This record gives sequence, C-alpha cells and structure tokens, in this order.
Amino acid sequence: AQKITQTQPGMFVQEKEAVTLDCTYDTSDPSYGLFWYKQPSSGEMIFLIYQGSYDQQNATEGRYSLNFQKARKSANLVISASQLGDSAMYFCAMSQQGGSEKLVFGKGTKLTVNP
Amino acid sequence: EPEVTQTPSHQVTQMGQEVILRCVPISNHLYFYWYRQILGQKVEFLVSFYNNEISEKSEIFDDQFSVERPDGSNFTLKIRSTKLEDSAMYFCASQLTTSRADTQYFGPGTRLTVL
Repeated sequence: AQKITQTQPGMFVQEKEAVTLDCTYDTSDPSYGLFWYKQPSSGEMIFLIYQGSYDQQNATEGRYSLNFQKARKSANLVISASQLGDSAMYFCAMSQQGGSEKLVFGKGTKLTVNP
Repeated sequence: EPEVTQTPSHQVTQMGQEVILRCVPISNHLYFYWYRQILGQKVEFLVSFYNNEISEKSEIFDDQFSVERPDGSNFTLKIRSTKLEDSAMYFCASQLTTSRADTQYFGPGTRLTVL
C-alpha cells in the first residue's frame, strides 16, 4: 500500500533563509506522482509543485524546488528565501497511475517563518 | 484563473440530520474527488467520480455517503445521517485527466460541524 511519511511535525525558519521539509514515500508501483500542497490557516489547499517518478530532473516552481531522490524514496520540498506568508501547513502527497489517481497524503509539517 | 468552489463554507448540523455539500469543479475537468480532513489530522480520500459514476471509494465512504453530479456543473456529497465523527473539513477536487502529471485542484473546503 502507498504511504507518505513526514517526520517533522513543526519547523521554524528565519525570514529570507531556505528551509527543507522532508517527505519519504513507499510504493511498489514504478509509476507515480509526488505533490506538495500548502494549507494556510484559512484552510484551503494550494498546489505548489509536482514531480513524476520518471522525471530526470528535479522540479522547480519559483522559490519552490523538489529534491527528488528516487533510490531513497524521498521527495523533500525546499523553499528558498522564506517569507512570512510561507507560514502554513505543508502536505506531501502521492498518486499512482491507474484507477482514480486518488492522492495519499502525509500528516503534514507546520512551518513557521520568523521575522 | 479557473477555480473549484464549494458551498457552504461552514455547515452546522444536528446528529442524525442529512447534509449536502456542494462543489463546482473547474469547467473542463473530468475527474472529481472528495476528501476530508478531521481537525489537526491528514487529508483522507473519500471517493472519486468519473463519467457519472464512482470510480473508487475508501472504506470511510460507507452507505451513509453518496455523491452525485446532478447537472453539468455541480458535484455533491450527501451524508444521510450525520454522526459526531463526521465533523471535519470536506474538500472537493477536480482534475482534467488522470495523467500522472495532472494536478488535482482543491476547493476552499466546507467545514462541517455535527452537534
């Protein structure tokens, strides 16, 4: 069965510094997608970045990048130049090819950016 | 930019009552999902829907739950007889295809409180 593990319940970072949020996953399927979502205190789920299992390069979207290490089954999110507005819950999620493409989520990491 | 909308944003109901949560997915999307998030916990998959039928459902999605796409735009989740443990945030999501690379876009959520 698919499983996502986020081992950091909370992280703190100073404004303008970079931070890495950890995510490891478990699947036996060779084809899968990895996603990161941001959930601010208002509650909505905001898509940040996607990495496919066959992608050769690490995904980047603005200040977000994904450190994808396939052999270690990790997909860590790196946020560069943190801003106060980055304070939120961050969820790692995985989908698999076939069926309905449901997302399986980790428990999340609460990031606090300090001024 | 197109977005998923959900109504109401907050619903309070008495135990045993029926509730209907409404979603308007992004207009050209074909795949629809409901997820729930109990306060402080991870997001859990409930059901996926395609071509006017359920394509996958979780063990949470028992006989008390049903989904419907009554017209070309709305997608609803009905809980027939609510229980205290149904209190959660319910998210609707839509997706254009089930390509591994295709993002699921989430609505802002409906917070359901069962008293």
